[in-house]
Formats: sequence, structure tokens, C-alpha cells
Amino acid sequence: KAGVTQTPRYLIKTRGQQVTLSCSPISGHRSVSWYQQTPGQGLQFLFEYFSETQRNKGNFPGRFSGRQFSNSRSEMNVSTLELGDSALYLCASSFYGLVTGELFFGEGSRLTVL
Amino acid sequence: AQSVSQHNHHVILSEAASLELGCNYSYGGTVNLFWYVQYPGQHLQLLLKYFSGDPLVKGIKGFEAEFIKSKFSFNLRKPSVQWSDTAEYFCAVSSREVNTGNQFYFGTGTSLTVIP
Repeated sequence: KAGVTQTPRYLIKTRGQQVTLSCSPISGHRSVSWYQQTPGQGLQFLFEYFSETQRNKGNFPGRFSGRQFSNSRSEMNVSTLELGDSALYLCASSFYGLVTGELFFGEGSRLTVL
Repeated sequence: AQSVSQHNHHVILSEAASLELGCNYSYGGTVNLFWYVQYPGQHLQLLLKYFSGDPLVKGIKGFEAEFIKSKFSFNLRKPSVQWSDTAEYFCAVSSREVNTGNQFYFGTGTSLTVIP
């Protein structure tokens, strides 16, 4: 079956702009979670959506937001971009959810903020 | 905030050597524990997981991990590594927290290089 698909794979933005990243989960998975990966901080949990509701949230500022659609596809938005937002953004889908489920990761969207 | 510590950032081993990667977490409540692996050019995938029961869990490709609750540790082991085990290994912990709901924490990763 098809894996987790993230788009775009690469993008470059400038400070102050906003960006929207998309994630299509594995068919049948209702949980989508998002992570930020940087060399200094490693992988950090952003939030999880389950059946269109944000179920869990990490410790990131309100500039980071997301949503999930009825087909389980999810988008993540970062507003007022800062240089420190440059990172690889990973999404993962799961059948059971964040706590107990196996996470299936996409290849990520690499964001560069200039 | 809770944290997950992986003590070894880079490990280099020869084929057939034994492997042990350390992982410690700081949360004192109920946790679920995972090891994920990222092979070169591939995305993260689950190696093994522990929820409850036998603290020694076996995963794919001959890996195993032992949960020691008193030490807050979940170390990954393999008796004899192969060149194909060259990858980045991430320890992860999920926890249920009163104020913030479920959280998921990754360690910073250990890069393993196996020399043929």
C-alpha cells in the first residue's frame, strides 16, 4: 500500500512569510502527527490530529498550526517565518494514534528560511 | 518537560561486533517506549516497541531492547551487527501527561557505522 506522502519536498522562504505543508497518510490511518527535525534539537513533536481534531500538542509557539481534513490529509502552517524555523518537517500516520500506535513516517519537507 | 537521552552520538563497529545503544528518559509516569531506525536515504521506521509485559522485547532484524524501570532505561542491543545495520537510531517515549495530553519525545539519535 502507498506510504505517507509529504509535499512539497523542498521549499525556500524568506523571514516573515508563511508556509503550508501537506501530508497524506496511509489509507485507513486517522492519526497524523507532525515533527520538526533540526541538527541541534533533534526530532521534536509538534502536534497530532485524529479524526479532524487536534488531540495532542507539543511545546511550540502559536505560529505553528495545523488541521486535518475529512479524508485524513493534514496540513501544517507556519506563519511569520523565522530563520530558526529552517528544518526538516516530518509527518507520521498511525492507525491507533500517537501513544500506542506504530508511526509511519513520510520523507519530510525541507524548509529553508532566508 | 520530559526528555530522552541517548548517550552515544556516533558509534563505529566492525561487522560481528555486539551493539548496545543507551537510552534514558526522565518521565516518572506510565510510558510506552520505542526505537526507530533511519537507514541512509530512507525514512524513519519502527524497530521495536514496549508497552507492558516482558521487559525484554524483540524487534526486526535481530534487535532487542530491555526496559529497566528502576533505571528509566530502554537500551537497544544486537549480538552481532552487519554492514546493513549502518543507520541512525532514535529512542522515543510516549507519555500521558495531565496538563498537556499525550506527548511524544525523541532522543537526539545515534549514528551507527558498521565497517565490513
